[in-house]
Amino acid sequence: GQNIDQPTEMTATEGAIVQINCTYQTSGFNGLFWYQQHAGEAPTFLSYNVLDGLEEKGRFSSFLSRSKGYSYLLLKELQMKDSASYLCAVKGGAAGNKLTFGGGTRVLVKP
Amino acid sequence: NAGVMQNPRHLVRRRGQEARLRCSPMKGHSHVYWYRQLPEEGLKFMVYLQKENIIDESGMPKERFSAEFPKEGPSILRIQQVVRGDSAAYFCASSPRSTSGSRFSYNEQFFGPGTRLTVL
Repeated sequence: GQNIDQPTEMTATEGAIVQINCTYQTSGFNGLFWYQQHAGEAPTFLSYNVLDGLEEKGRFSSFLSRSKGYSYLLLKELQMKDSASYLCAVKGGAAGNKLTFGGGTRVLVKP
Repeated sequence: NAGVMQNPRHLVRRRGQEARLRCSPMKGHSHVYWYRQLPEEGLKFMVYLQKENIIDESGMPKERFSAEFPKEGPSILRIQQVVRGDSAAYFCASSPRSTSGSRFSYNEQFFGPGTRLTVL
């Protein structure tokens, strides 16, 4: 089976850095995704990791350690518009394509 | 350059009625996925389809739910005899093809805006 854990909620100040951790236990692994979801909207793609290490994309970075079943999403120079839920998802399953999502981490950015 | 299209965006049904949710994938995408998101919860995988084939339906409830992706036309998620517990947001996603998980070819899934189903 699949089990994805991430914190429920985090609060940070505008301009600060926040790190969202995700741990996973899966029967198959074909990569890990991070999505951003604003309330009432569709998830939008942020990052993908399949190899160990750090992937940087502007203000967002994502790290993966496959041996530890661990990933984090780092958000730098926080802006008010970054207030959203951040979803960790592992790709796998029998056909290798389905995404198993964690419950999401709601990030609240305060002025 | 349309993205994933879903309709209707909002659907209200009374208990016992049928709900039909439609999804048109992005142009060039042949893989469709359906996910359900209950209020205040994460997305749960339901089914993965290619044209005329169900590839993985491990997340589909055993009864009342069915999905298809015909050769022509959109993918349909059908819920028969809806109950209040079916109230949720149903998201469709599409990708161009299967992936082996290479570093530079991950074939991300692009999500549609969702259909919010309310069962009265």
